[in-house]
Amino acid sequence: NAGVTQTPKFRVLKTGQSMTLLCAQDMNHEYMYWYRQDPGMGLRLIHYSVGEGTTAKGEVPDGYNVSRLKKQNFLLGLESAAPSQTSVYFCASRLYRGGPNYGYTFGSGTRLTVV
Amino acid sequence: EDQVTQSPEALRLQEGESSSLNCSYTVSGLRGLFWYRQDPGKGPEFLFTLYSAGEEKEKERLKATLTKKESFLHITAPKPEDSATYLCAVQAGGSSNTGKLIFGQGTTLQVKP
Repeated sequence: NAGVTQTPKFRVLKTGQSMTLLCAQDMNHEYMYWYRQDPGMGLRLIHYSVGEGTTAKGEVPDGYNVSRLKKQNFLLGLESAAPSQTSVYFCASRLYRGGPNYGYTFGSGTRLTVV
Repeated sequence: EDQVTQSPEALRLQEGESSSLNCSYTVSGLRGLFWYRQDPGKGPEFLFTLYSAGEEKEKERLKATLTKKESFLHITAPKPEDSATYLCAVQAGGSSNTGKLIFGQGTTLQVKP
């Protein structure tokens, strides 16, 4: 099992450019999440999905859009990148009903720099 | 407002020197408290979930405990390979149908040989 796979791993964008980050999981998890991690800020939730075809806003959704057309994939889009979106982006997933030791499974992250 | 605060921000230990990391939380109805380990350049890796005050869980040199206001991650006789950033997160009662977690800023642990 690959777990949670994020592509790309690194990307440099110019201000105003657009891009899509892809998250794919092969664990049949219902819930999926996009977080950003910045120094001194911890992990902050951007958007999340509780199932195929559903999405919702998290703590810091401005400037981002998401789609979950297939259960295994969760896409994060930046329509017009800004330097403030320079960050490390993590995707995570989990089962709807976890056992006593359940937790998120995270991907390895996408390091995005906007210049 | 739901909030998670971890202390200290950074901790340096000598190999074998036991210590504890703290996670204080204020949340409306705790559904679960989570500990993760994050190595540089990698995603967080799940360690423990605690659900109720008094609960304890152990894994190798790590032991997590939970009270009504905070959680501790005790590290006994640490080794250099325990060096990492440890993240604490909580799931609030209002998030029972979404699974959303609120993360603390983390404690970066360095264990010197």
